Amino acid sequence: SQQGEEDPQALSIQEGENATMNCSYKTSINNLQWYRQNSGRGLVHLILIRSNEREKHSGRLRVTLDTSKKSSSLLITASRAADTASYFCATDSGGSNYKLTFGKGTLLTVNP
Amino acid sequence: IAGITQAPTSQILAAGRRMTLRCTQDMRHNAMYWYRQDLGLGLRLIHYSNTAGTTGKGEVPDGYSVSRANTDDFPLTLASAVPSQTSVYFCASSDSGRANYGYTFGSGTRLTVV
Repeated sequence: SQQGEEDPQALSIQEGENATMNCSYKTSINNLQWYRQNSGRGLVHLILIRSNEREKHSGRLRVTLDTSKKSSSLLITASRAADTASYFCATDSGGSNYKLTFGKGTLLTVNP
Repeated sequence: IAGITQAPTSQILAAGRRMTLRCTQDMRHNAMYWYRQDLGLGLRLIHYSNTAGTTGKGEVPDGYSVSRANTDDFPLTLASAVPSQTSVYFCASSDSGRANYGYTFGSGTRLTVV
């Protein structure tokens, strides 16, 4: 069963605009991660935020985590056409096995 | 270049045939995983292995088997393929002792069962 659910399912913006994607999850987590997938390729790890963190930055990426609402957001600032991809959140619920549960993804299209 | 190699890249397979999807990593990661990706369903975990010699079932293990004879290789076998196993299969690995560092994914195997 899916743990994370991304919203929106699809997002289309113009180059230079900011893109915000949201992820909601159901159970408590150890950490939450965001991945990018270009068409026909494997997933690439972007950023990880631990359950005791509220915000994290990496280049043009900003991730927030609200454990009380069981939600996270990924903000991509000053988007580029090369940012066009699907973005997935994934949750690690902790325990003895490190296994990620992925959401269904948000398809981001950045128009030049 | 360090990473994960999956083979074949794509395959068309007759229903009822047996097939093994290969996955090799050179990062000495102790944990490895197999996911399938289907349109509208996202990625679902099939099997995983926390360390060589051990394996575990994921969310959708039926019809699949895995083995982990050594650290580097984690093959996925379909004993008797069915059309519902048409999917894109991704192998991934992680250093589970450093669970805050994410997964590394292969480029995937696109399998069509006819």
